[in-house]
Amino acid sequence: VQLVESGGGLVQPGRSLRLSCAASGFTFDDFAMHWVRQAPGKGLEWVSRISWNSGSVDYADSVKGRFTISRDNAKNSLYLQMNSLRPEDTALYYCAKDLEGVAGTGGDYYYYYAMDVWGHGTTVSVSS
Amino acid sequence: SSELTQDPAVSVALGQTVRITCQGDSLRTYYASWYQQRPGQAPLLVIYGRNNRPSGIPDRFSGSSSGSTASLTITGAQAEDEADYYCNSRDSSGNIYVFGTGTKVTVL
Repeated sequence: VQLVESGGGLVQPGRSLRLSCAASGFTFDDFAMHWVRQAPGKGLEWVSRISWNSGSVDYADSVKGRFTISRDNAKNSLYLQMNSLRPEDTALYYCAKDLEGVAGTGGDYYYYYAMDVWGHGTTVSVSS
Repeated sequence: SSELTQDPAVSVALGQTVRITCQGDSLRTYYASWYQQRPGQAPLLVIYGRNNRPSGIPDRFSGSSSGSTASLTITGAQAEDEADYYCNSRDSSGNIYVFGTGTKVTVL
């Protein structure tokens, strides 16, 4: 099971960049996928999630209207189109596989949500 | 949107027990997941749901939840457990996710 991100680089403020994430070792179109980023020396920030069939997409407020998540299940690939980039978007961008379901026994059931497989990330630097 | 608050840093003696907490209103609705991140590495899922460990995660890691607080406990901490730990849950709206502020664990 592997996720490999690519497409990062140095870009000027206001420009665009498209990140890719190649998945292998699991049935890609069975799972939702996430993008998570980490600014230098900072904590993790969730960016976006897309459902298995692209029918549902969600974004953090910090990127809504500027970033677009998409996927191509035929190519086992996840994408993040980043427009109107800002210096504060500088970060290591990870893609992650969604893990969610129901667990429990004897009528005591509960939902769980997590991200169980992560790539190594691709670095985006926004600077003039 | 919701926030998840963690203590910035904790320390534990080798072989002792440490508890890391995560506080936020969304935890009244959703269970937290917990991630370990060693320097220069990608995050690693260690606990999800009520108290579930992915394959390969040692049983010294356990999770619990009460009200608006989720906890990750390391029982018998090892040197390799020195890392940053982050909690995560869905936002109260259910549409987005939020990470905690992170806790740096030092094993003495």
